[in-house]
Amino acid sequence: AQSVTQLGSHVSVSEGALVLLRCNYSSSVPPYLFWYVQYPNQGLQLLLKYTTGATLVKGINGFEAEFKKSETSFHLTKPSAHMSDAAEYFCAVSDHGDDYKLSFGAGTTVTVRA
Amino acid sequence: DVKVTQSSRYLVKRTGEKVFLECVQDMDHENMFWYRQDPGLGLRLIYFSYDVKMKEKGDIPEGYSVSREKKERFSLILESASTNQTSMYLCASSSAGTANTEAFFGQGTRLTVV
Repeated sequence: AQSVTQLGSHVSVSEGALVLLRCNYSSSVPPYLFWYVQYPNQGLQLLLKYTTGATLVKGINGFEAEFKKSETSFHLTKPSAHMSDAAEYFCAVSDHGDDYKLSFGAGTTVTVRA
Repeated sequence: DVKVTQSSRYLVKRTGEKVFLECVQDMDHENMFWYRQDPGLGLRLIYFSYDVKMKEKGDIPEGYSVSREKKERFSLILESASTNQTSMYLCASSSAGTANTEAFFGQGTRLTVV
């Protein structure tokens, strides 16, 4: 079974600063990788996903993530934080089987300081 | 606009009650999921369904059952609610095909069992 580790349950950044959220997965076979965002009192929304091909993936709202097979990582970054980025972020993986289940990390809450 | 709709945003139920959480999607998706979200634990899969009348246990199915009589509707049932089932419940759906397909989430139902 897949497992996902998100380092840091809370991250606080200043507006305009770099946002870096860490995600590591455990799998001998590279899975499909996702980042979802949850704004307060809402469901989850897909930010970006990695399937195959280019290891640097661009998503919505200026976020991007890089798949590094050697490090089993899929860290999420945004060069310049905006107040609207305050939310909870979840890394998720699914394997190449046919049951389409997502395994989620514990989540990282981002606060943005003015 | 794609939509996954959960029937209630907030519910308060008494211990021992039978509780129904309803979810409807309008995207003709084959797959539907129920997750439970708790602080520090991320999302954990309770049950999923890949076709009408089909269901599979997720990681934490104890105390729950599900029903999928129509493709668009997936119900989560708490047979006898207990206080440890107080949580946020999220429904999701995705299309069949490959495991890299995006899951779409409802807004969540915050259930309190007293």
